[in-house]
Amino acid sequence: DAGVTQSPTHLIKTRGQQVTLRCSPKSGHDTVSWYQQALGQGPQFIFQYYEEEERQRGNFPDRFSGHQFPNYSSELNVNALLLGDSALYLCASSLWGAGRNEQYFGPGTRLTVT
Amino acid sequence: QQQVKQSPQSLIVQKGGISIINCAYENTAFDYFPWYQQFPGKGPALLIAIRPDVSEKKEGRFTISFNKSAKQFSLHIMDSQPGDSATYFCAAKGPQGSGGSNYKLTFGKGTLLTVNP
Repeated sequence: DAGVTQSPTHLIKTRGQQVTLRCSPKSGHDTVSWYQQALGQGPQFIFQYYEEEERQRGNFPDRFSGHQFPNYSSELNVNALLLGDSALYLCASSLWGAGRNEQYFGPGTRLTVT
Repeated sequence: QQQVKQSPQSLIVQKGGISIINCAYENTAFDYFPWYQQFPGKGPALLIAIRPDVSEKKEGRFTISFNKSAKQFSLHIMDSQPGDSATYFCAAKGPQGSGGSNYKLTFGKGTLLTVNP
C-alpha cells in the first residue's frame, strides 16, 4: 500500500520564477492538504482540496495556487517566487468526512529560492 | 497569534527515562489533537492522537494526557530510546472552515528530543 508521494525531492529556483510541486495521496484517500514548513518551525497550512475544489485556505497570498485532478493527485503552484518561499513543502492526504481526522504526510519537497 | 504553544523547545533525556512535551491551545473549537514525529529530511509521521472527550490515550510507550478545562495536552514517552531522538510536533485540527471543511491542522513550533545512550 503506497503512502503519500511527492515530487520532486529537491528544487532550486531563482526569485521571480514559478514552480509546480506534485503530490499523490495515500491509496484510498480523497483529500489533499498542503503545508509549508520553514526551517525550525512547524508546518503551516496553505490549502486543502477535495473533489477538485479548494475547500479551505490558510493565510497565504494568491501567488500560491493549487489543483486537484480526478485521480485525487494534486499540484501546488507558486508564482513570482520570493526568497522567503524557501521551505519544505508537505502534502498530507486524508479522507473527507466527519470524524475522519487522520492526516498522513509525504516526505516533502525542499524548495530553495536564490 | 499562535494558537498552539509547545514547550520545551528542546529536551535531553537519558535512555530509559521519561520524555514529557507539553502543548496549550486557545481555540475551544479544536476537536482533534495529534502528535507527529519528524526525523531530519523526512515528513512528519503521525504518532498518536486524541479527541477532547477522552482524558488519556496510550499506545505502547506513548501516552497523551488531555486536560480540556486547562486547554492543555501533553505527550509522555516512557522508556525513551536513542531511536526516539527526533522533533515532535503537537497539532490541533479545526476550527471548521467554509463548506463544511474541517481539516486544517495548526502546529506547535516543535520540540527537539535527544535521548542519550
